Amino acid sequence: QSVLTQPPSASGTPGQRVTISCSGSSSNIGSNFVNWYQQLPGTAPKLLIYADNQRPSGVPDRFSGSKSGTSGSLAISGLQSDDEADYYCATWDASLNGYWVFGGGTKVTVL
Amino acid sequence: QVQLQESGPGLVRPSGTLSLTCTVSGDSISSGKWWSWIRQSPGKGLEWVGEIYRSGSTNYNPSLKSRVTISADKSKNQFSLEVTSVTAADTAVYFCATRGTGYYPFTYWGQGALVTVSS
Repeated sequence: QSVLTQPPSASGTPGQRVTISCSGSSSNIGSNFVNWYQQLPGTAPKLLIYADNQRPSGVPDRFSGSKSGTSGSLAISGLQSDDEADYYCATWDASLNGYWVFGGGTKVTVL
Repeated sequence: QVQLQESGPGLVRPSGTLSLTCTVSGDSISSGKWWSWIRQSPGKGLEWVGEIYRSGSTNYNPSLKSRVTISADKSKNQFSLEVTSVTAADTAVYFCATRGTGYYPFTYWGQGALVTVSS
């Protein structure tokens, strides 16, 4: 059972917009930045969004992040076949002396 | 470009100790960053294990704290993970990763090393 809750799956056709939610609490998302990672099959996770809505250099602007209260959200617009991957949200949880927590992951399928 | 590479035994016996090393290139583990271990059980999500700072300060996942030790060898630019009293539930791909200070995200990751706990 993950501290952060994500839907297990999401899907869309090429060109569509897909949104993934990440629900937490006041001790994690409610008081710290949300980061998002993309994990392609058989590879290490890659940083996609940091500090709620910032994109690292090289990440297309089709990917965007937002946060409201204790929930974060990742949007993928203009969905492409290369976007088929697992997506994880993560943040610092201030409880129990503090530790990093991840969502359970969302598998995005391009139909 | 920072690169991280995990190494260690791929098979550990139940009740034994899992040991992995992460070798860092392109940066110094004495720099102002946190050096972390994150694991992923087969077909499952990511779980943060713990991290170490240049000063030797450590943070651990509360659920694993009693069994985990992370240490660093500055002369070899490596940091290591030990998990004691392992069970099949510790079978996972173990990634080493690094992040900046504060609540910076995990920016660089190793490719991961599969460790299987089995007799």
